Amino acid sequence: GAGVSQSPSNKVTEKGKDVELRCDPISGHTALYWYRQRLGQGLEFLIYFQGNSAPDKSGLPSDRFSAERTGESVSTLTIQRTQQEDSAVYLCASSLNRVSYEQYFGPGTRLTVT
Amino acid sequence: RKEVEQDPGPFNVPEGATVAFNCTYSNSASQSFFWYRQDCRKEPKLLMSVYSSGNEDGRFTAQLNRASQYISLLIRDSKLSDSATYLCAVKDPGSARQLTFGSGTQLTVLP
Repeated sequence: GAGVSQSPSNKVTEKGKDVELRCDPISGHTALYWYRQRLGQGLEFLIYFQGNSAPDKSGLPSDRFSAERTGESVSTLTIQRTQQEDSAVYLCASSLNRVSYEQYFGPGTRLTVT
Repeated sequence: RKEVEQDPGPFNVPEGATVAFNCTYSNSASQSFFWYRQDCRKEPKLLMSVYSSGNEDGRFTAQLNRASQYISLLIRDSKLSDSATYLCAVKDPGSARQLTFGSGTQLTVLP
């Protein structure tokens, strides 16, 4: 079946511009996660959505970062007034439900802020 | 101390060698444990879950040591295609974020 998809795969933007990244989770997966991975670094948790519950935003690094999810489907991660330190790969993952801890990742969006 | 720590490596081993990585975790109440594999410029992919009694999948063996709070991954008869970064992930109780990932251990298998 179809896996997690993300778009765009690559995004180059100028410092100060806003960007929007999209994630389509695996159909039927109620849990969705966003991570950031800087070059040569590990995964940095950003935000977690579970069904209709309030999202866990504890990993968002600043108020320039926000995310939304429509029901149990598509999610968008928005970064406002991008900075060079925002350059990274943004990974989305989904899992079946709250008690299924196995996460399946999308291919990521590589963001470069110039 | 980081919640989940891994030796970043790199580990450079010859084909056919046996190599082992450890991953330590700080919360003694941690519940579930996983190993992920990440190829260069690719997304992480689930390699295997780690069960309390230890588990094996072909050339790969995962073990859990609760007393010392670490998990391990053993790769036997390593292949060139095993070259990747191996990430451990830990589920902490009460953590809404579900999994905390280590920074990864880089493995290169040399011909």
